[in-house]
Amino acid sequence: AQTVTQSQPEMSVQEAETVTLSCTYDTSESDYYLFWYKQPPSRQMILVIRQEAYKQQNATENRFSVNFQKAAKSFSLKISDSQLGDAAMYFCAYSPLSGGGSQGNLIFGKGTKLSVKP
Amino acid sequence: DTEVTQTPKHLVMGMTNKKSLKCEQHMGHRAMYWYKQKAKKPPELMFVYSYEKLSINESVPSRFSPECPNSSLLNLHLHALQPEDSALYLCASSQDVRQAIANYGYTFGSGTRLTVV
Repeated sequence: AQTVTQSQPEMSVQEAETVTLSCTYDTSESDYYLFWYKQPPSRQMILVIRQEAYKQQNATENRFSVNFQKAAKSFSLKISDSQLGDAAMYFCAYSPLSGGGSQGNLIFGKGTKLSVKP
Repeated sequence: DTEVTQTPKHLVMGMTNKKSLKCEQHMGHRAMYWYKQKAKKPPELMFVYSYEKLSINESVPSRFSPECPNSSLLNLHLHALQPEDSALYLCASSQDVRQAIANYGYTFGSGTRLTVV
């Protein structure tokens, strides 16, 4: 069974500094997608960044970038120039691409609560 | 319109009540999902609809009954719930079950906070 592990329940960063959130996953699949979602107190899950497993190049979206290490099954998120609005719960998620009933199933880690200090 | 709209935002119901949660999107997405999220926990998949047909039911109790009347609308009918069913219910949509993940990921609504008393 696929699992996603976020080992940092809480993290804190100073405004304008850089922080890295860790995520590891376990799967026997070779083709899949990985995501980082942000959930602020407003509750809506907001897509931060996605990575396709067959692409070696790490995805970037403005201040957000990932370090994807497929062999190590690691998918960390780096937030540069942290802003107060980045404070939220961050979920790492895995999605298989194989056929069958697992399609469309986002498997989430337990989340990391990020605080940003002014 | 790039949103998934869920109503109501909050719902309090008794264990003998029947209520429904509604989810709507007008992005032309053909896959829609219900997730359940308990406090301080990650979301867990409940149901997947693909082209208005139920494709995944993650062993959800029958007191939860999903319905997809058309490609834009997804309902979750609730009956005889238990207090432990209190949670945030999130709806999501995607282009379709295969392509979405490749291109756009999933778009989530803001959820319905359900309290069963």
